[in-house]
Amino acid sequence: EIVLTQSPTTIAASPGEKVTITCRASSSVSYMYWYQQKSGASPKLWIYDTSKLASGVPNRFSGSGSGTSYSLTINTMETEDAATYYCQQWSSTLFTFGSGTKLEIK
Amino acid sequence: EVQLQQSGAELVRPGTSVKLSCKVSGDTITAYYMHFVKQRPGQGLEWIGRIDPEDDSTKYAEKFKNKATLTADTSSNTAYLKLSSLTSEDTATYFCTRGFRFFDYWGQGVMVTVSS
Repeated sequence: EIVLTQSPTTIAASPGEKVTITCRASSSVSYMYWYQQKSGASPKLWIYDTSKLASGVPNRFSGSGSGTSYSLTINTMETEDAATYYCQQWSSTLFTFGSGTKLEIK
Repeated sequence: EVQLQQSGAELVRPGTSVKLSCKVSGDTITAYYMHFVKQRPGQGLEWIGRIDPEDDSTKYAEKFKNKATLTADTSSNTAYLKLSSLTSEDTATYFCTRGFRFFDYWGQGVMVTVSS
């Protein structure tokens, strides 16, 4: 099973600040996927195939990476971006999630 | 519009079983794999397993192999998750979702509370 390690666990950012969340895989994966989850709600697909934004996701978000290291970046933080973000991988018919990064507004 | 509608909250006794449903509307259930994901209170997401409604083939995460059973009914466009031998560790919200490599639509989640 491929283990995904996210960092940081929690981060606080001011509006307008740049934010980067990283996800490291225990073995190389082809793509990374990201989800946004707000309190009491279902997760939402946010980024797919490493760098493609899901429908409706603002273009201040971006995704990048390869192999075992991936990241989600918010170019300029906005209050509505406060949420928990999870990375997810798929390999050998099995799926795993990272432990999540809670993003708060400072 | 695709929607995944899950059954209501459950309060169940330890040692018993529970079966959760997830009805797909706006698309045929056979179009994608159906998955279930567990989220314990205040914790992260855990993938339980998936079913291919086309042929009923299943895959499970190792830790759920003796806990979860996935089935699907194509006539009602519904997927099911049965959890057996329930303990307090099974108290969680369970989401259904669909996809081949990632998950594009999610159900609203169903809270299962295991308590005597």
